[in-house]
Amino acid sequence: DSGVTQTPKHLITATGQRVTLRCSPRSGDLSVYWYQQSLDQGLQFLIQYYNGEERAKGNILERFSAQQFPDLHSELNLSSLELGDSALYFCASSESLYNEQFFGPGTRLTVL
Amino acid sequence: GQQLNQSPQSMFIQEGEDVSMNCTSSSIFNTWLWYKQDPGEGPVLLIALYKAGELTSNGRLTAQFGITRKDSFLNISASIPSDVGIYFCAGLPNTGNQFYFGTGTSLTVIP
Repeated sequence: DSGVTQTPKHLITATGQRVTLRCSPRSGDLSVYWYQQSLDQGLQFLIQYYNGEERAKGNILERFSAQQFPDLHSELNLSSLELGDSALYFCASSESLYNEQFFGPGTRLTVL
Repeated sequence: GQQLNQSPQSMFIQEGEDVSMNCTSSSIFNTWLWYKQDPGEGPVLLIALYKAGELTSNGRLTAQFGITRKDSFLNISASIPSDVGIYFCAGLPNTGNQFYFGTGTSLTVIP
């Protein structure tokens, strides 16, 4: 158990819908990262937050947005969902900006 | 963006054999991380490396930070069935603000 929690574990929805994925970092970690992993693919970095502020952006679609709240938990919002958005979404956290990252168990999103 | 080349892409080995995989970049990195991922689960951190030339072990796993700072290696000795999974490297460029992940090495151990 890495100490990073993600909810929900599974999510099934329809095209065009909007979903919110939630992540709670390890106690004491200030930085949160979001990654997308499609079937049999590597990890695609989406976005990073540090102490509530956006710090780095990867290949995140405009339909996706995220934020980190004052209690340091983070949410990833995915809207106008398409079939191709079906993937595992991982959250990771680290103590500060450039430390090793610890991953949560992921949320499996299925768009039908 | 940065490219991390991880090889081999897949490996099929007999139980008890040693395994080597590596990760290379075109630019200098400050940090190298190695993760293992089981199907449908989150990657688990195996080893973190912070200095060129550093050699760090975690049980049967040993990783090295290349002296050129452009590569890293992971070795697994005396493989066992539970070593099966996908191994990812990740690196932080010296001029960057995010970690980049390799494409993974899929390891299959034949009992």
